[in-house]
Amino acid sequence: EVQLVESGGGLVQPGRSLKLSCAASGFTFSDYYMAWVRQAPTKGLEWVASISYDGGSTYYRDSVKGRFTISRDNAKSSLYLQMDSLRSEDTATYYCTTAEGIPLYYFDYWGQGVMVTVSS
Amino acid sequence: DVQMTQSPSNLAASPGESVSINCKASKSISKYLAWYQQKPGKANKLLIYSGSTLQSGTPSRFSGSGSGTDFTLTIRNLEPEDFGLYYCQQHNEYPPTFGAGTKLELK
Repeated sequence: EVQLVESGGGLVQPGRSLKLSCAASGFTFSDYYMAWVRQAPTKGLEWVASISYDGGSTYYRDSVKGRFTISRDNAKSSLYLQMDSLRSEDTATYYCTTAEGIPLYYFDYWGQGVMVTVSS
Repeated sequence: DVQMTQSPSNLAASPGESVSINCKASKSISKYLAWYQQKPGKANKLLIYSGSTLQSGTPSRFSGSGSGTDFTLTIRNLEPEDFGLYYCQQHNEYPPTFGAGTKLELK
């Protein structure tokens, strides 16, 4: 059974940093692109960032470029999101997902999500 | 970015009925549209991708149709577990974008 378990969320002040982790199990982690998708309170879903199988290629939405860094450790079956210079508009539940498909990916498995609140 | 517009925003129906949810893209996305179900306390579930391909485990009462800019998710013979939020997402070009969601409620 595919399991994705996020951790590392919490309350953080604007301008500070936070690192999210996602522990994956039940599938061959290195066979999948991975992604983070977020959902602000009472809002819809929003893609944040994606990473290729070996971590050699990364992709970001414009609003987080230069502030967020997605990475992975295939030996540990883990995905990460380093979030720097956080803003109030980054407040959301962050979901770890697998990503596959052509020509661009859809998100086939999701974690339960972790809440990040950016507030002073 | 490709804007995805879902309609209706809210939908009320009874078990056994059929419903349709629409998704319109701001430009052609060929057939590359996915549908998701979101329910409280559960992981989001991919239902359909590439417009009409059912993800493994998706019941056959779900179907997807459309191409270009107009797409439809149809749920036939609604079951109690089908009530929740539904989102569409285009997987044709960067960045992947989602619709605002449709809330399917029990009438």
